[in-house]
Amino acid sequence: SAVISQKPSRDICQRGTSLTIQCQVDSQVTMMFWYRQQPGQSLTLIATANQGSEATYESGFVIDKFPISRPNLTFSTLTVSNMSPEDSSIYLCSVVSSNSYNEQFFGPGTRLTVL
Amino acid sequence: GQQLNQSPQSMFIQEGEDVSMNCTSSSIFNTWLWYKQDPGEGPVLLIALYKAGELTSNGRLTAQFGITRKDSFLNISASIPSDVGIYFCAGRDPHSGGGADGLTFGKGTHLIIQP
Repeated sequence: SAVISQKPSRDICQRGTSLTIQCQVDSQVTMMFWYRQQPGQSLTLIATANQGSEATYESGFVIDKFPISRPNLTFSTLTVSNMSPEDSSIYLCSVVSSNSYNEQFFGPGTRLTVL
Repeated sequence: GQQLNQSPQSMFIQEGEDVSMNCTSSSIFNTWLWYKQDPGEGPVLLIALYKAGELTSNGRLTAQFGITRKDSFLNISASIPSDVGIYFCAGRDPHSGGGADGLTFGKGTHLIIQP
């Protein structure tokens, strides 16, 4: 399975500021995703990070609020922009490895608290 | 979109007991995945199922892909304290755009083991 790291692991931010979360994978992967998990809830897909092109966003999520980059096959960033307390969640990077048919793996998550 | 119902929502069991949880969907899936999430961690993939009727084991865990392709169950035998956590089912829609785009998550089953 792919080994996924995320930075930062947690942060406390002020309302109106922005935070960029990094996701690094130890091997090339076919697909990378960003999920949000609100307190006590299940996982919700934010977007698919596409290498070299704009991310594909799910309904309810927009690029201005959650800009995403994926410059290569092993790295992606998610920015949470103009944060409000409602953005307090765990943000998870997820990948489908080219070596594991349809198996999807998750990073450790970034726990964000917005004051 | 699809609806994915996971039950039970929580389970209070004694150490050594067997555990069973299941997920049902409103439409067919072509893949079922089961994850476990510990507090402060990302979900860890336990078992992946790809064919209707498939029965797969991973140690004390056994999962099955329902014949109708609309359900799956996970069993844990002889539970131990480290089994505590939240278990999520996830299904992939065969009509998704490709790759893992169509992954839908259940709301999770909280497993609590009483001493």
